[in-house]
Amino acid sequence: ETGVTQTPRHLVMGMTNKKSLKCEQHLGHNAMYWYKQSAKKPLELMFVYNFKEQTENNSVPSRFSPECPNSSHLFLHLHTLQPEDSALYLCASSPGNLYDEQYFGPGTRLTVT
Amino acid sequence: DAKTTQPTSMDCAEGRAANLPCNHSTISGNEYVYWYRQIHSQGPQYIIHGLKNNETNEMASLIITEDRKSSTLILPHATLRDTAVYYCIVRVAYSGAGSYQLTFGKGTKLSVIP
Repeated sequence: ETGVTQTPRHLVMGMTNKKSLKCEQHLGHNAMYWYKQSAKKPLELMFVYNFKEQTENNSVPSRFSPECPNSSHLFLHLHTLQPEDSALYLCASSPGNLYDEQYFGPGTRLTVT
Repeated sequence: DAKTTQPTSMDCAEGRAANLPCNHSTISGNEYVYWYRQIHSQGPQYIIHGLKNNETNEMASLIITEDRKSSTLILPHATLRDTAVYYCIVRVAYSGAGSYQLTFGKGTKLSVIP
């Protein structure tokens, strides 16, 4: 599945660094999502954008800052992260209607040292 | 959204049908049943969804009982590449906050054996 791409695939960063994760979808979808998957924990929804507008923010700390410049691109800006933020960060997109399925990217494996 | 219950793990012989059950006894009338899978270290992959009728696509079939309290995902001819964690998700379809939420549980780890 190459409809949703994420870069980088792996990232190691220190707690004082600033980095950004990028997601791009080539499916013509209107909604995009950020999820976090920690080891041995279920997927956690972080943010939802629909038609470039943020519709959900599931109590995510401010050290994670999303940006959606258009319906095809989604960023997650990271700053002053903690080691417990190490996880697989997944981007997904969906057509944007009530019944639709979500298509996921391969994820970015983030390690905070 | 209604809670789902799935077995923790299952084995299936390569080439045989894999039948993955899911209980969702508290499902309400406007909730759909979705199935996703996640192959190790990859993003989840959508498989199929349905409301009350049985559904089939190129990947799998979804059988929903008449009372909608349980469902079964069927992979007709399992291959080694089908080894993954399979998630059954029940989700209401409505507009507004939370409408796009997919709540992933622990799923069923399916191992396809050569």
